[in-house]
Amino acid sequence: DAGVIQSPRHEVTEMGQEVTLRCKPISGHNSLFWYRQTMMRGLELLIYFNNNVPIDDSGMPEDRFSAKMPNASFSTLKIQPSEPRDSAVYFCASSLKETIYFGEGSWLTVV
Amino acid sequence: AQSVTQPDIHITVSEGASLELRCNYSYGATPYLFWYVQSPGQGLQLLLKYFSGDTLVQGIKGFEAEFKRSQSSFNLRKPSVHWSDAAEYFCAVGLGGGSYIPTFGRGTSLIVHP
Repeated sequence: DAGVIQSPRHEVTEMGQEVTLRCKPISGHNSLFWYRQTMMRGLELLIYFNNNVPIDDSGMPEDRFSAKMPNASFSTLKIQPSEPRDSAVYFCASSLKETIYFGEGSWLTVV
Repeated sequence: AQSVTQPDIHITVSEGASLELRCNYSYGATPYLFWYVQSPGQGLQLLLKYFSGDTLVQGIKGFEAEFKRSQSSFNLRKPSVHWSDAAEYFCAVGLGGGSYIPTFGRGTSLIVHP
């Protein structure tokens, strides 16, 4: 079975540019999560969708961050404009019930 | 709100030695408990999970964990560590009851010496 698929795997962009990260959850899963991982803050939950509806976005750092889930098989996390402090690994994860499964991550560097 | 504590930031063991990684949680009821492993440059992979029943659970890669209600702990063990086990290990706690957002610990970095 295909796991959670994220793209791009690596992105280097200049400050001020728009960044879009993409995620395809595991087929049949009804919950989707976006996490950010940094050395300083560890693993942070940014936003959680259930049945394509955003349930909890309290972890989204600021208005520069936005996430959408237009259908059950696709989600995006957008940063506009990007800043160097956004450099991190962004993970998408999905679940059907209690157990969440992670993608390989999108490694973002903003210079 | 539930919380998860992994008291060891780094653990160093020799290859072939036994391993125990500690995890303590704070929550009134029995939560769902997980251990994940993250190899360098990779995502988090589920090692094992506990929901109910036998308090000793077996996972992949030869790992096991034991749930101890009296100690609010869910420690991860392996009898003989391999060099390929060097990674970051995360303990996570979920509430259940319709709320399936887990809380993750800060992780323990395992270093394996030859």
